[in-house]
Amino acid sequence: QVQLQESGPGLVKPSQTLSLTCTVSGGSISSGSYYWSWIRQPAGKGLEWIGRIYTSGSTNYNPSLKSRVTISVDTSKNQFSLKLSSVTAADTAVYYCASEESSAKTLDYWGQGTLVTVSS
Amino acid sequence: DIQMTQSPSSLSASVGDRVTITCQASQDISNYLNWYQQKPGKAPKLLIYDASNLETGVPSRFSGSGSGTDFTFTISSLQPEDIATYYCQQYDNLPPSITFGQGTRLEIK
Repeated sequence: QVQLQESGPGLVKPSQTLSLTCTVSGGSISSGSYYWSWIRQPAGKGLEWIGRIYTSGSTNYNPSLKSRVTISVDTSKNQFSLKLSSVTAADTAVYYCASEESSAKTLDYWGQGTLVTVSS
Repeated sequence: DIQMTQSPSSLSASVGDRVTITCQASQDISNYLNWYQQKPGKAPKLLIYDASNLETGVPSRFSGSGSGTDFTFTISSLQPEDIATYYCQQYDNLPPSITFGQGTRLEIK
């Protein structure tokens, strides 16, 4: 069974870049069956899809975040990463990585989530 | 962009009750609609895919229906372990994107 684990700083200063990595185990990130997605959730609020990457490197982003988001993949390490630039307090959230089944568009496997706080 | 309107935002029901949550899309999304359960402090869990298909291992008291713009999620007999927040999720190909509903917080009365 595929397992995902987020890692990265829990505290980021305003205007800086948030960087997170998701490590995939129990399966190859190069599998053609999945997209690899990032989702976030501010405390007490709903889920917001950030974007996805395919193993070919093609990406899709939430239009509301597109200007600040970069998602990349490192197949040699079985990892994919998120960078969110020019962060503000509004970017404080639990960030999840997830595998998205490419035909059904279901978010099948999720990481446990990591809290990122934007504060000086 | 497609907007999803989920209702109610919160719901209180008794054990054994039938519970219904609705999700409305701002335009026709065919059956491209999934439902998730999220318990406090945990990641969401897929329950229903393509509007009405039960994910493997999910109890049969959970069901989904609908197509086009109007969708329904039902718990036929509420159990204490069903206390959670439920989200609908649509996917669009033009442009490729995912949108979640606002969520429904389900509590025991």
